[in-house]
Amino acid sequence: DADVTQTPRNRITKTGKRIMLECSQTKGHDRMYWYRQDPGLGLRLIYYSFDVKDINKGEISDGYSVSRQAQAKFSLSLESAIPNQTALYFCATSDRIAGGFTDTQYFGPGTRLTVL
Amino acid sequence: GENVEQHPSTLSVQEGDSAVIKCTYSDSASNYFPWYKQELGKRPQLIIDIRSNVGEKKDQRIAVTLNKTAKHFSLHITETQPEDSAVYFCAASFQGGKLIFGQGTELSVKP
Repeated sequence: DADVTQTPRNRITKTGKRIMLECSQTKGHDRMYWYRQDPGLGLRLIYYSFDVKDINKGEISDGYSVSRQAQAKFSLSLESAIPNQTALYFCATSDRIAGGFTDTQYFGPGTRLTVL
Repeated sequence: GENVEQHPSTLSVQEGDSAVIKCTYSDSASNYFPWYKQELGKRPQLIIDIRSNVGEKKDQRIAVTLNKTAKHFSLHITETQPEDSAVYFCAASFQGGKLIFGQGTELSVKP
């Protein structure tokens, strides 16, 4: 889905380095999410944001921080990368719908991060 | 806590057979249950979803059933084809509207 883009697509870095992963969307959605995927562990939620002023921790936020620069942009930072943060990272977006229901999430292409 | 359990972790079927993947969730207030398919090297993509006000939904060879009392839901794929081979994830909505995903099921359809 070209409406959700992530940069970079691949990144190799060293322990202790600061890394930023970026996500942009043209879907006009209010809600954005960052997930981490590891084999056998599924997709685990790191942080999510329901609008520019709303940031929430997910299941595994330790060691990560985020910034919602605009409705369309949501960045994930690793302040001091460590090897066990090696994973595939996905950004996702969803719309806000009435009735208290959650809406479909659309995923970006993913960023493969390797921390040596 | 907020939890979704998915079984089995791997599933191998012969082409033409049916496949069933099951998930349980922890919060009776959950009201949205999507299923995603992830092909090798690709992003997860929604294949079907169900909301808590219905018990079953079908789309061609794919169906999802929801049992709110037991807090479990299942994905059924009939007449499986090799192109159905992928990793499938269930998810449930939790307080605040976030999704929690299951651990995934690797489905292999053998010709």
